[in-house]
Amino acid sequence: DAMVIQNPRYQVTQFGKPVTLSCSQTLNHNVMYWYQQKSSQAPKLLFHYYDKDFNNEADTPDNFQSRRPNTSFCFLDIRSPGLGDAAMYLCATTDRQETQYFGPGTRLLVL
Amino acid sequence: AQTVTQSQPEMSVQEAETVTLSCTYDTSENNYYLFWYKQPPSRQMILVIRQEAYKQQNATENRFSVNFQKAAKSFSLKISDSQLGDTAMYFCAFMKHAGTYKYIFGTGTRLKVLA
Repeated sequence: DAMVIQNPRYQVTQFGKPVTLSCSQTLNHNVMYWYQQKSSQAPKLLFHYYDKDFNNEADTPDNFQSRRPNTSFCFLDIRSPGLGDAAMYLCATTDRQETQYFGPGTRLLVL
Repeated sequence: AQTVTQSQPEMSVQEAETVTLSCTYDTSENNYYLFWYKQPPSRQMILVIRQEAYKQQNATENRFSVNFQKAAKSFSLKISDSQLGDTAMYFCAFMKHAGTYKYIFGTGTRLKVLA
C-alpha cells in the first residue's frame, strides 16, 4: 500500500501562474519534507515540518511556500513559477527509525 | 557541517556480476544513520539499505550489502548477482542521530546493468 501519495503526478503551468502540489501520507508520522529534484541531481530539501513547526532551508526562494493543515497532508505552493522551477517535486515522510519514504513525485512543467 | 561524497558519477556492470558503489562522508558526530537509496529511471526513490553507526555489523538485504568503515568514514554498497532491474541512480545519504531529521545526500551514481 502506498505510504506517500502525491497529486498530481504531472502538472503543467504557465510562467507566473500560481500552482499547488499536494502530498498525503499514511504513516501518521510527524515529519514531512518537500524536495526539489532536477534531472540526474540529488534531491534538494526545500523545507520540512516537525508537527506544525515549519523549517525553511536558508536557500529556499520566497516563491516557495508550504502548508500543513493536519498530520496527513502537506501542500507546496509556488507563487510565481519561473522556467527554472521546472523540476520533479518529491514529498517524503519518516518512520520512527528515521528512514525517509518518498512519494512518486510531481513533475512540474512551466511554459 | 556534514558532507557526503560519491566519487563515481557513472558505472556499468554485466548482468549477474558484482559491483561496488563508493560513498564517503565527513562528520564529527558519533551517532548517525547512513542510507542507500535507489531511483530507477522515471520512478520512485526507494530505500535499499540502512546502517546505524553504532552497529559494527554490516547491514545486508538480500543481494545488497554494505561495507561500513566508521573510522575511515566510508560506506560502500555491494550489489551481487546484478539484475537489469538494478539499473538506477543510487544515492548515499547521511543523517545525524538526533536533532535535524534532515538527510545529507551525495551527488549520486548512475548504474547501468548490461545484458
